[in-house]
Amino acid sequence: QVQLQESGPGLVKPSETLTLTCSVSAGAIVSYYWSWIRQSPGKGLEWIGYVFYRRSATYNPSLQSRVYMSVDTSKNEFSLTMDSVTVADTGMYFCARWNANNLDSWGQGILVTVSS
Amino acid sequence: QSVLTQPPSVSAAPGQRVTISCSTGSTHIASDFVSWYQQLPGTAPKLLIYENDKRPSTIPDRFSGSKSGTSATLGITGLQTGDEADYYCGAWDNRLSAWVFGGGTKVTV
Repeated sequence: QVQLQESGPGLVKPSETLTLTCSVSAGAIVSYYWSWIRQSPGKGLEWIGYVFYRRSATYNPSLQSRVYMSVDTSKNEFSLTMDSVTVADTGMYFCARWNANNLDSWGQGILVTVSS
Repeated sequence: QSVLTQPPSVSAAPGQRVTISCSTGSTHIASDFVSWYQQLPGTAPKLLIYENDKRPSTIPDRFSGSKSGTSATLGITGLQTGDEADYYCGAWDNRLSAWVFGGGTKVTV
């Protein structure tokens, strides 16, 4: 069973760029789409987007001007970059495997706090 | 406000059954497929139901899903205290060209 693990900074200053990475175990990163989801404290889930290794990513329209996703097949990982972060971007960030029409495997999540 | 509408909370005694609705409210959710996710306190969400009514092999048959028209339903029978969690439905929205989640339903046993 695939395992995913998020990594990145736990604290980012307002207006800076956030970069998170998700490491994928058990190979096969080229066989699936990969997704990022976030959850503000005490709130529901928000899909950020998904990416396939040789196609352009698809993003949530509410975030697409600030986010970018990519896949590094040599490292078996994919990443999320978010520009110009604000306090509203504080929350848990999850990476997940996109399997046709559902998110079937999730990482444990990483808490990102935006604060000066 | 979520595109998919769920009740904020449901509750029932141990051993009883609950159902959680997920209303799309529009034809923009063109895909027939709704999936459900369980998020236990302090943990990542986990896939419970996919393609409306299919269960991953690790999910017990106490959990079931169905869909009729623009509404999907998650059912949980034989409620256990370990089922206390937030439950989310999800689907693809063709108008937004984005995946959308319901607002989540807190189940209290």
